[in-house]
Amino acid sequence: GENVEQHPSTLSVQEGDSAVIKCTYSDSASNYFPWYKQELGKRPQLIIDIRSNVGEKKDQRIAVTLNKTAKHFSLHITETQPEDSAVYFCAASMGPGNQFYFGTGTSLTVIP
Amino acid sequence: DVKVTQSSRYLVKRTGEKVFLECVQDMDHENMFWYRQDPGLGLRLIYFSYDVKMKEKGDIPEGYSVSREKKERFSLILESASTNQTSMYLCASRGQANTEAFFGQGTRLTVV
Repeated sequence: GENVEQHPSTLSVQEGDSAVIKCTYSDSASNYFPWYKQELGKRPQLIIDIRSNVGEKKDQRIAVTLNKTAKHFSLHITETQPEDSAVYFCAASMGPGNQFYFGTGTSLTVIP
Repeated sequence: DVKVTQSSRYLVKRTGEKVFLECVQDMDHENMFWYRQDPGLGLRLIYFSYDVKMKEKGDIPEGYSVSREKKERFSLILESASTNQTSMYLCASRGQANTEAFFGQGTRLTVV
């Protein structure tokens, strides 16, 4: 089955700096890669996603890049703010009817 | 807005009890999932269902069973609760399009 690895497990940045979280996957059949943000005590919520036919996607301060050849994808957050502090999960899926495989999470702390 | 609702936010049960965790979604989604979330281990799939009465084992099905009698409802059953099943349980649902999964608010189960 698919194996998703995520690094780092914890990340501290100064407010205004950038944060990068990296994930690798093992199965080339995976074609959908969402990123979830989970604030303390709340449910995971989608912040951005990318499909295998796209190399990069951007939404304001958040961007995701995908390298299918190397089987890795990354989340980039620019101009970080304290409200970006949360746990971030990457995931990979082979499409509808299939499960999501999640990384182990990155705890991001943005220091004011 | 998609709504995924879990029946309890917090539960305390005794060792050996049979425990039912209920999840209901209101978006007519075909796919539903039960995950367990533990610190440092991320989200691990227990079971998922891609249609009514259909189920597939995930990565950690031992000690659990599921029921999906109606499309909108997916139940997780702990046949005989044990202390190592103390955890946060998250339900999620997804439609047939290749898009995100939506999560419930989670049930924090403590087995004493």
